[in-house]
Amino acid sequence: QQQVKQSPQSLIVQKGGISIINCAYENTAFDYFPWYQQFPGKGPALLIAIRPDVSEKKEGRFTISFNKSAKQFSLHIMDSQPGDSATYFCAARSSSARQLTFGSGTQLTVLP
Amino acid sequence: DADVTQTPRNRITKTGKRIMLECSQTKGHDRMYWYRQDPGLGLRLIYYSFDVKDINKGEISDGYSVSRQAQAKFSLSLESAIPNQTALYFCATGTMENEKLFFGSGTQLSVL
Repeated sequence: QQQVKQSPQSLIVQKGGISIINCAYENTAFDYFPWYQQFPGKGPALLIAIRPDVSEKKEGRFTISFNKSAKQFSLHIMDSQPGDSATYFCAARSSSARQLTFGSGTQLTVLP
Repeated sequence: DADVTQTPRNRITKTGKRIMLECSQTKGHDRMYWYRQDPGLGLRLIYYSFDVKDINKGEISDGYSVSRQAQAKFSLSLESAIPNQTALYFCATGTMENEKLFFGSGTQLSVL
């Protein structure tokens, strides 16, 4: 049972473009939504996270947009750079749960 | 030195063999996790431990066992490895106060 659905599976963007990765969830008890970034040969690392009391959170070129009614959240990478090429995972957790549920991942390639 | 260290980094074994993957951390975190990464499936939780005496099954625990030898050490065992256990395995740590997970660099396991 996949509780967090992530799309697309892969994404190719030109340098300077906007990368958008989408996630949808089913469990309305989820109240914490992080994004993790993974470079080849490395473990995932927390990139940015949001709680449902806000609709958007921005950190530098990275923005999370959150739509509670649609049960969707997305990661936007502005002015995408080749160094952003990585695998991105969305995740979700409820306050009563003891672990994160991850999406299936998106492999982003930013062309120079 | 890495805060979360996994050994070995790579391992090739044969069907039916017993294998242990080890994880140690210097972050002083009480929570430790084992995840498995497969292409297109994202990160799936195998086992997690919130302290030495607290061990819990994740969504895909069948065929695996764990041991929390100390606060800083959490090992994952495959009692009788099978080919569909070929995957990239990650150890992660965290705390109750901070929802951020810290991942090791992974162990690539191949079961022939």
